[in-house]
Amino acid sequence: QKEVEQNSGPLSVPEGAIASLNCTYSDRGSQSFFWYRQYSGKSPELIMSIYSNGDKEDGRFTAQLNKASQYVSLLIRDSQPSDSATYLCAVNENKAAGNKLTFGGGTRVLVKP
Amino acid sequence: NAGVTQTPKFRILKIGQSMTLQCTQDMNHNYMYWYRQDPGMGLKLIYYSVGAGITDKGEVPNGYNVSRSTTEDFPLRLELAAPSQTSVYFCAATQVNYGYTFGSGTRLTVV
Repeated sequence: QKEVEQNSGPLSVPEGAIASLNCTYSDRGSQSFFWYRQYSGKSPELIMSIYSNGDKEDGRFTAQLNKASQYVSLLIRDSQPSDSATYLCAVNENKAAGNKLTFGGGTRVLVKP
Repeated sequence: NAGVTQTPKFRILKIGQSMTLQCTQDMNHNYMYWYRQDPGMGLKLIYYSVGAGITDKGEVPNGYNVSRSTTEDFPLRLELAAPSQTSVYFCAATQVNYGYTFGSGTRLTVV
């Protein structure tokens, strides 16, 4: 059973601070990694994808991947109240396996003004 | 460009009833998926399809069925609804190695 683990939170951060979210995965064959943001009652929306070791930055978001340690993280800089949501980590097995994503349980983030 | 469209948005079913959740996409993506999300939990894969005429089971397929007669449509059928199927259902579509585009979801309650 392939697993993706996240701390459920809530992760409470003051406005303007950095939120740091972590995710570990069990399948060493995983090739693609994604972070989704999900507001309460809404569908997940893709915010970051990362495919190789290292950091990837997009605006206030930075994704970090370490395949040797099997973890992927998301940093949110200058956190805003609008960043309050659940963040889902998702791991792709490979395209030969149907391009399926396995999701973690999500980390709830609360940004306090 | 509507992306992925799901209908209905809400539905209440009685135990033993059947229904079809509709999903259609206008992005010409080959890969489509059905997930369920229970309160406070992540998404669990029910069924998926890699192209028209090809479907396969995911992690939690029992009590569900799918078909994929066209690239655009991927309906999910619930037979003999049970309270354990109370959940939010999301349909998604993608191309290889890209993140998914999700529909807005169907909130189903079985009573």
